[in-house]
This record gives sequence, C-alpha cells and structure tokens, in this order.
Amino acid sequence: DIQMTQSPSTLSASVGDRVTITCRASQSISSWLAWYQQKPGKGPKSLIYKASSLESGVPSRFSGSGSGTEFTLTISSLQPDDFATYYCQQHNSYPLTFGGGTKVEIK
Amino acid sequence: EVQLVESGGGLVQPGGSLRLSCAASGFTFSDHYMDWVRQAPGKGLEWVGRTRNKANSYTTEYAASVKGRFTISRDDSKNSLYLQMNSLKTEDTAVYYCARGPPGIPGAFDIWGQGTMVTVSS
Repeated sequence: DIQMTQSPSTLSASVGDRVTITCRASQSISSWLAWYQQKPGKGPKSLIYKASSLESGVPSRFSGSGSGTEFTLTISSLQPDDFATYYCQQHNSYPLTFGGGTKVEIK
Repeated sequence: EVQLVESGGGLVQPGGSLRLSCAASGFTFSDHYMDWVRQAPGKGLEWVGRTRNKANSYTTEYAASVKGRFTISRDDSKNSLYLQMNSLKTEDTAVYYCARGPPGIPGAFDIWGQGTMVTVSS
C-alpha cells in the first residue's frame, strides 16, 4: 500500500497568511494526488485533483503543486472560511489512501 | 443540485450486520464510479471500497480491512448506492461517507455526502 504522510499535523496561522501544507507519498504516484477540506461535522469537500487541477468553484487562493512523491497545497491568503482540516489522497492505485490530515487553526 | 444523502447508520452489536444506503440526485448516477469512505471518531479518512459503473461491469474494489465482510452494490434505476456490512467489529465504528468519482479522473472524489454514523458496541 502507498503511505501518505502530511506535515505539519497542526498549523496555527492568521487571516491573510500564506499557508503551505506538505504531503509525501511512500512511492511515486506521478501527479495522481487530490486535496480535500473538511470542517467539523461535515463531509469533505474536494479542492484539487491531479496535483494541481482546481475543482470548479474553489477559490483561486488555493493551489497545488508537485509530482512523484512530494506535493504541496498552498493557500495564498488565508481567509476565515479556510480554518479547517485538510487531507491529501493518492489516486494512483488501490487501495486509495489518505494522509493523516493537517488542522489549520486560528493563531 | 448535485447531492448524496446517506442513511441506515445506527448502533449494532459486534458480529452483527447493517446496510447503509446513499441516495444520489442532480446528476446521471449511472455514469459514475461510487465509493464509500469512513472516518473513525477523531481520526482521519479511510477508503472502504468502490463500485465502477455499468460500462466497467460494476466491478468492485475493497480495502483489506473490510474485504470479505463488506459488499458494495448499486441500483442505477433507483440512483442508489449500498454498503452491506457483515461480521461487524468495534473498529468499524465510524462515520460512513459515500463519494462520487468524477469521470476521467480515476480514484478521486468530487462530491461527498454528509455521512451516517455506525457504532459497533455491546
């Protein structure tokens, strides 16, 4: 199975900050990586697929990059609605696997 | 509006069975792969399994942790996805989400439901 490792597990930031979350795969997954946002008590929301393709309706302050084993999710200017937990997921091979999550908290 | 609504969760004893349902609306259900993903209390997301569409013979994939105990099925005429869970264990306690696979993007999920809670306890 492909292991996905996210860092940091928790991130404290202020509105307006630039935020970067890292996701590493235990083996190459080409560009088959997705990012999701989850708020308490809600189902996840798709943000990015294929490493850098923005889901329709997602604000342009979100961006994704990387290939192979190292990927990043960047929020260019953190907004109040962005405080949530973020998960990466490899969609290269079965079983599909997720990172452990990064909680973005208010500083 | 594109929507997925799960139902059927509840409290069940270890060794018991439960069937979850996911009602889809607002899109052509039969075109899409559909998945189940779960989240134990306070934990991260864990993929459970997938059913492909008719064009791909409704074939299925499962996580090792549920293979042989859980069965995913679908009824395209009812726009519905199902998860039959047998031989339930305490570690199956989780919120169960159904999720839609977008066409042409294998393995990703673009729409998620709100989830249904399953508690396995004596």
